[in-house]
Amino acid sequence: AQTVTQSQPEMSVQEAETVTLSCTYDTSENNYYLFWYKQPPSRQMILVIRQEAYKQQNATENRFSVNFQKAAKSFSLKISDSQLGDTAMYFCAFMVNNNDMRFGAGTRLTVKP
Amino acid sequence: DAGITQSPRHKVTETGTPVTLRCHQTENHRYMYWYRQDPGHGLRLIHYSYGVKDTDKGEVSDGYSVSRSKTEDFLLTLESATSSQTSVYFCAISEMSTGGIMGYGYTFGSGTRLTVV
Repeated sequence: AQTVTQSQPEMSVQEAETVTLSCTYDTSENNYYLFWYKQPPSRQMILVIRQEAYKQQNATENRFSVNFQKAAKSFSLKISDSQLGDTAMYFCAFMVNNNDMRFGAGTRLTVKP
Repeated sequence: DAGITQSPRHKVTETGTPVTLRCHQTENHRYMYWYRQDPGHGLRLIHYSYGVKDTDKGEVSDGYSVSRSKTEDFLLTLESATSSQTSVYFCAISEMSTGGIMGYGYTFGSGTRLTVV
């Protein structure tokens, strides 16, 4: 079974600094997709970044980037120049087919002024 | 982004009563999903639909049923609510490219907080 593990239940970072959130997954599949979702206090789930397993290049979206290590089954999220609005729960997610997106338990990130 | 709305946003109900949550989309997406969110578990799939009247079970389907009589509506029903079903429920739709290629992630509704007392 596919599983996703986020080993950091809570993290904090000072405004303008960089923080990295960890995610590991377990699968026997070779082709799959990985995602990071942000959930602010509003409860809305917002897609931050996505990565296709067959692509070597790490995905980047503005201040958000990933470090995808396929052999190690690791998919960490780096947030640069952290902003107060980045305070949220962050979920790592994994998908093989369109019917089964699996989520980690989440990391609660607090950005401190 | 595709339009997806959930109703109600909050609900309190008594143990043993039936409850129906509604998800409505305006973009004609084929795939729709119901998840529940609980602390320490992230989001877990309850049921999903891949077309009108086509549904299947997810990871935590016991105690839940779904129906999809129209493309735009996906209903989640708790036949007899229990306290263990107190949770936040999310509906999602699948963003796919024109060619039907998956992997673009899901778009989520704003969630329904259900409390069973």
